[in-house]
Amino acid sequence: DVKVTQSSRYLVKRTGEKVFLECVQDMDHENMFWYRQDPGLGLRLIYFSYDVKMKEKGDIPEGYSVSREKKERFSLILESASTNQTSMYLCASKSPEISYNEQFFGPGTRLTVL
Amino acid sequence: DQQVKQNSPSLSVQEGRISILNCDYTNSMFDYFLWYKKYPAEGPTFLISISSIKDKNEDGRFTVFLNKSAKHLSLHIVPSQPGDSAVYFCAASHLPQIRPVLGDTSRRDDKIIFGKGTRLHILP
Repeated sequence: DVKVTQSSRYLVKRTGEKVFLECVQDMDHENMFWYRQDPGLGLRLIYFSYDVKMKEKGDIPEGYSVSREKKERFSLILESASTNQTSMYLCASKSPEISYNEQFFGPGTRLTVL
Repeated sequence: DQQVKQNSPSLSVQEGRISILNCDYTNSMFDYFLWYKKYPAEGPTFLISISSIKDKNEDGRFTVFLNKSAKHLSLHIVPSQPGDSAVYFCAASHLPQIRPVLGDTSRRDDKIIFGKGTRLHILP
């Protein structure tokens, strides 16, 4: 069973704080993704990575950065949190060998920025 | 521009009846379509997929139909059960792309494009 874990289920931070969201997968997947989910907007891709130290911008990268120092770990960083970054953050991973592109998701982190 | 559209934000269906969730797309070059199910406070879980060369795929109570000429797909759940109450996301993807980097052709990047979701309520 593929397992994707995220460091926190719930997080409350103040405006201007630096926030780290950690994601770890145990299936040796090459590709990892960070999304945010907001009501009425669905899942929007922030960043993804297809290998260690490699990253690509998704649809909404502004205000975020990422780090992939090890294959199993993909971190999302909010350099200076703002209230409009209050959201559910979802990490996912997949193997490029799966032809239909199934991604495996973590349980999500509900981030509130006050 | 939204490439994958789910026009119904919510749907209510009586338990035991058929639930039909609809999805439209704009890009005729998609290779695969997927449905994900999401409960509150959990990550989405993969439900079923269909290749663009097929028009139907069935897995137990779940069937996905693809109408390429109309750029439309639908998920049928028969019979609907209380545990089916969740948000359903339609998604589309291309075949994984090989990205040659420093001669390494094994690298790929592949994205899924999600719709905004439809909340399904199964009524007792």
